[in-house]
Amino acid sequence: DAGVTQSPTHLIKTRGQQVTLRCSPKSGHDTVSWYQQALGQGPQFIFQYYEEEERQRGNFPDRFSGHQFPNYSSELNVNALLLGDSALYLCASSLWEGYSNQPQHFGDGTRLSIL
Amino acid sequence: AQSVAQPEDQVNVAEGNPLTVKCTYSVSGNPYLFWYVQYPNRGLQFLLKYITGDNLVKGSYGFEAEFNKSQTSFHLKKPSALVSDSALYFCAVRGPTGGGNKLTFGTGTQLKVEL
Repeated sequence: DAGVTQSPTHLIKTRGQQVTLRCSPKSGHDTVSWYQQALGQGPQFIFQYYEEEERQRGNFPDRFSGHQFPNYSSELNVNALLLGDSALYLCASSLWEGYSNQPQHFGDGTRLSIL
Repeated sequence: AQSVAQPEDQVNVAEGNPLTVKCTYSVSGNPYLFWYVQYPNRGLQFLLKYITGDNLVKGSYGFEAEFNKSQTSFHLKKPSALVSDSALYFCAVRGPTGGGNKLTFGTGTQLKVEL
């Protein structure tokens, strides 16, 4: 049973560029959440997708956008990259079920470095 | 707004000794509480959760956590630490309503278990 998979594992970009990160949820899960983990910090919630719609959003600018596909996989897009966007980007999947009490399952993340 | 505090950046313990990693939370209503562990260059791995019921929750790898509503705490414990327990530990909270499914994490506690 495959868990949450993310690609690529590492990425290097320069300021002003844009980037797309990809996530496939754990089998059977229908909800995908994205988190940003800066060095030495806890993960910060970016947004969550269910039924191909953004359901909740954290305190991140519009440069951060996403998409969910019919097969529940998801993409995170970041435009006009800043040095401060350097971080580990984590994808987590779960079941929607309203306010589910089940834990979110995390992938190993994409390490994004901005030069 | 919901929040989590992990007051210790690092906890050092000798192998075989009991360990405690502290967490306090703030949330409206009854909390859903989680502990995750992160090994180097990996994503977050679920350890245990508290939703309702017994205040002592048992989880993976011999870990347990004690929920204390009056002190708004959810400390992680293990009776006998192993060197392999050395990792970064995160406490997270989600409100039952109004917060959706998003998790709010603490800043993490680095656990170091020495021989």
